[in-house]
This record gives sequence, C-alpha cells and structure tokens, in this order.
Amino acid sequence: SQTIHQWPATLVQPVGSPLSLECTVEGTSNPNLYWYRQAAGRGLQLLFYSVGIGQISSEVPQNLSASRPQDRQFILSSKKLLLSDSGFYLCAWSVQGLAGTDTQYFGPGTRLTVL
Amino acid sequence: GDSVTQMEGPVTLSEEAFLTINCTYTATGYPSLFWYVQYPGEGLQLLLKATKADDKGSNKGFEATYRKETTSFHLEKGSVQVSDSAVYFCALSDLRNYGQNFVFGPGTRLSVLP
Repeated sequence: SQTIHQWPATLVQPVGSPLSLECTVEGTSNPNLYWYRQAAGRGLQLLFYSVGIGQISSEVPQNLSASRPQDRQFILSSKKLLLSDSGFYLCAWSVQGLAGTDTQYFGPGTRLTVL
Repeated sequence: GDSVTQMEGPVTLSEEAFLTINCTYTATGYPSLFWYVQYPGEGLQLLLKATKADDKGSNKGFEATYRKETTSFHLEKGSVQVSDSAVYFCALSDLRNYGQNFVFGPGTRLSVLP
C-alpha cells in the first residue's frame, strides 16, 4: 500500500532563516506531487505541483521554491522566511487511474510558525 | 475555469442530528467529485468520491450523489456523532488540466455537540 511522509511535523523558525520541508511517497511510481499551504482557519492554496523528476510548476509567485530530486521525493524550500509564510503545509500525491480518474492523497502536514 | 462552491459554516449540530453540507461546482468537462475530511491538526483524508453522473459515493455513514443536472455533490449523514467534528472539503478533478487538475472548495467546519 502507498504511504506518504512529511517532516518535520512542527517547526518554529525566525524571520529571515532558511526553510526545508521534505515529503516522500512509498509504494507507487511516477506520482504527481503537490505542495499546499493552509493558513489558520482557511482553505487550501496550491503552491507547487510536479508531474515528474525535475518538473516543477509554480502556482503562486513568492519566496518559496520546490524541487523534486527523486521520483518520490518533493522538497519545499525558502532562503529567507517571512512572517506570512506561517501556516500548515501539506504534501499530496496522485496517480491517474486506469479509468482515467485521479485521487489526491495527503500527508500529515507540517505546522510552520515564523516568529 | 473550474470552481467549487460550498457553504462555509461553521455548522453546529447536536449529536444524532441530520447533516447536509451543500457543494456545487462549475466545470466544462466531466469531472470526478470528492469529499475530504480534515480533523484538527491532521492532513486531509479522502471520505468519498464519485466519478460520473448519478454515482453515489458512501463511507462511514456519509453519502453524496453526483448530480449533473444541478451540478451538485451535497454531503449527507443521517445521524452525526461528536467524532464527526472536522472540516469538510468538496473538490473536483478535471483530468483535462493535466497536473493541476484538482480544485478544492473553501471547506466547511462542522461542530457536533453532545
């Protein structure tokens, strides 16, 4: 069965510090990968998605970046964090099914607080 | 583009009450429709889905029917429990938009009181 891991689970960082969040998927090959951000009490904002190694599409221009160094690894980074980067970061994966349908499965999330 | 609209709540119910959370969508193609649930401090979990018109998705006592004529996918449960307190997200997937095919609604917070 497939599983998705995210770490760290929680992170407290000062403004201006760098960031690296990691997401890995097990039990599937060539998944689509996604990074979302969820501000407190708000909905989901798609940040990045990737359909293959080295292929990254950005939905929101900002001080964050993403990389996919391996098929099942997705990394979210920043060189200098802003207060507005605080939130709950969710990684998700999907694989297009034989029937042409597509379901996204989410990781447990990382709670980031920037002080 | 595609979009999903749902009642934002919060919705507060007493235990054993009947639940309806409305969801309507806009899509030019034939999307798949989903309900996800998010418990406090956790990621989203797939609750149920339907892939074509008139399909009914069901899980854990929750049901939703894909209504193409009204472009709706309302979530229902006959008798809610305190443990159902969570945020519920309606979503669609339109595979014509390869890679960025998922669209989520804003979420509806449900609180069930004992």
